[in-house]
Amino acid sequence: AQSVTQLGSHVSVSEGALVLLRCNYSSSVPPYLFWYVQYPNQGLQLLLKYTSAATLVKGINGFEAEFKKSETSFHLTKPSAHMSDAAEYFCAVSAGSGNTGKLIFGQGTTLQVKP
Amino acid sequence: DSGVTQTPKHLITATGQRVTLRCSPRSGDLSVYWYQQSLDQGLQFLIQYYNGEERAKGNILERFSAQQFPDLHSELNLSSLELGDSALYFCASSPGASGGVTDTQYFGPGTRLTVL
Repeated sequence: AQSVTQLGSHVSVSEGALVLLRCNYSSSVPPYLFWYVQYPNQGLQLLLKYTSAATLVKGINGFEAEFKKSETSFHLTKPSAHMSDAAEYFCAVSAGSGNTGKLIFGQGTTLQVKP
Repeated sequence: DSGVTQTPKHLITATGQRVTLRCSPRSGDLSVYWYQQSLDQGLQFLIQYYNGEERAKGNILERFSAQQFPDLHSELNLSSLELGDSALYFCASSPGASGGVTDTQYFGPGTRLTVL
């Protein structure tokens, strides 16, 4: 069975500092991995996804993630945090077979950005 | 705006009651997914429909059911409601042409259900 684990339920950074949100996955087949962001009182929005092409994936709002098979990781980074990045971030793995898109989500990481 | 609409935005009801949540997918999307987000369980996949047919099922209770109509909108029916069913229910849609495993899912704003 596939699963994801997000290390750290809360991460606090200063504005302008590096953002690093950690995600480790478990999968018996090559995984498809996603990062979503949820702003307060809103739905989830895709930041980026890994679908077995390039291992370094660039997303929206300056975020990127690197797929590392040897470490079973897909950590999300952003070089310089902005106040508007404060939100909850979810890592997810596509747990379906070829014809289903069922997503298994991690528990989420709340990012706080301090001025 | 993802293009996915959900109604109602908020729903307050009593234990034992039945409610229906409605979702309209993005134009052209054939797959609809339902997820439940609660404080103790996090975000959990409930069910997927593709072009009117059930495609995948998650930890959906027997008291819950869903369907996708010919116009591709979907409804999630929750019956015999319990306090623990209070949660945010999200609908998402995707093109689904390849089945969905690598699809981007576009999420609606959710329906917040409160069971008193």
